Amino acid sequence: GAVVSQHPSWVICKSGTSVKIECRSLDFQATTMFWYRQFPKQSLMLMATSNEGSKATYEQGVEKDKFLINHASLTLSTLTVTSAHPEDSSFYICSASPSTRGGGYGYTFGSGTRLTVV
Amino acid sequence: DAKTTQPPSMDCAEGRAANLPCNHSTISGNEYVYWYRQIHSQGPQYIIHGLKNNETNEMASLIITEDRKSSTLILPHATLRDTAVYYCIVRAQGGSEKLVFGKGTKLTVNP
Repeated sequence: GAVVSQHPSWVICKSGTSVKIECRSLDFQATTMFWYRQFPKQSLMLMATSNEGSKATYEQGVEKDKFLINHASLTLSTLTVTSAHPEDSSFYICSASPSTRGGGYGYTFGSGTRLTVV
Repeated sequence: DAKTTQPPSMDCAEGRAANLPCNHSTISGNEYVYWYRQIHSQGPQYIIHGLKNNETNEMASLIITEDRKSSTLILPHATLRDTAVYYCIVRAQGGSEKLVFGKGTKLTVNP
């Protein structure tokens, strides 16, 4: 149980275009989902916390107008990279945890999306 | 900021136990210790977590010191597929509490 599906697994887009990444919890409901970004040979950096039915909470230094997050249902959160530039090329990963579980359970991560902006 | 300190890299021979240390001297009473690993170009995989008692599951064992300021993840019989970056994270209770990753330990299992 507790499977998180992320789509697409990789995407190449032209500079200036927007890209949407989906994160779905397949067998559980998730009130909260998290979005991370990872550059080569670096650790995961938390970008934002996605809250179902409300605005996302962004970490310091992350541009909320550039990285649009929508958490419209208990099983789906989307991250849209708007007006993408080559420096946005990175590995984007989402995670979620069943809402019904207590804090003692770990989060499940998606398989990640490799974004390349050319 | 990450609240844990881990060695940047470790090596282990295949078939031997891998012991990965983690310091979390500022851990609070309600914070759990979590371990994840990330194999190259994949999402992190949950391994194990604990509060104050030692824990064991099918993947690993977690030993937490009595003062909870440090812990050790033990992979009893490391295989080549265990080569990955291992992250030790402390997190408070609550389904909305975020996971903040440090730099982790790159474990290389050698044949």
